[in-house]
Amino acid sequence: KQEVTQIPAALSVPEGENLVLNCSFTDSAIYNLQWFRQDPGKGLTSLLLIQSSQREQTSGRLNASLDKSSGRSTLYIAASQPGDSATYLCAVPPQGGSEKLVFGKGTKLTVNP
Amino acid sequence: DAGVIQSPRHEVTEMGQEVTLRCKPISGHNSLFWYRQTMMRGLELLIYFNNNVPIDDSGMPEDRFSAKMPNASFSTLKIQPSEPRDSAVYFCASSPTERGVNQPQHFGDGTRLSIL
Repeated sequence: KQEVTQIPAALSVPEGENLVLNCSFTDSAIYNLQWFRQDPGKGLTSLLLIQSSQREQTSGRLNASLDKSSGRSTLYIAASQPGDSATYLCAVPPQGGSEKLVFGKGTKLTVNP
Repeated sequence: DAGVIQSPRHEVTEMGQEVTLRCKPISGHNSLFWYRQTMMRGLELLIYFNNNVPIDDSGMPEDRFSAKMPNASFSTLKIQPSEPRDSAVYFCASSPTERGVNQPQHFGDGTRLSIL
């Protein structure tokens, strides 16, 4: 059974700092991995989707990497801003190319001005 | 694009009552997902549809839960009878996914359900 773990559960940093959020998964036979952002009282917003054939994806100040063999992904946020404060979740299909997603419980990020 | 629209945003009702949550997916998206989010268990998939057909309902907790998608622009999640442990935020998401090929899922803002 696919399990997704995100460490730490919460992170507080000063504005301007570069930071890394971690995601690990138990079944490495995945087709892709997705990172989402959730603001309080809101749904999830897709940030990045990395296909299994890719090692990383970039969008603005965000860079996500994927290492299938070790069952790990990282989300790198450069020059963090208070507006980046949110909960970040990663998700993978339970096996192969399923449309289903198994989510981690997220890392709650607070960027202090 | 209006995004995924869920209603109601908040629902408070007494245990034993029937609860119906509604979702309008993004036009043109052919996959629809219902999730439940709690502090203890995080975000869990309940059921998903592809082209209006239920594909996997293994996440539906018990027979009190049912979901329908009568057409491409509307889905409902029904709980009957409701229990306090059903209290959670329920999300609907849609994507242009063809079966087996993931695309980013687009989420609604959720329905916060409280069963007293």
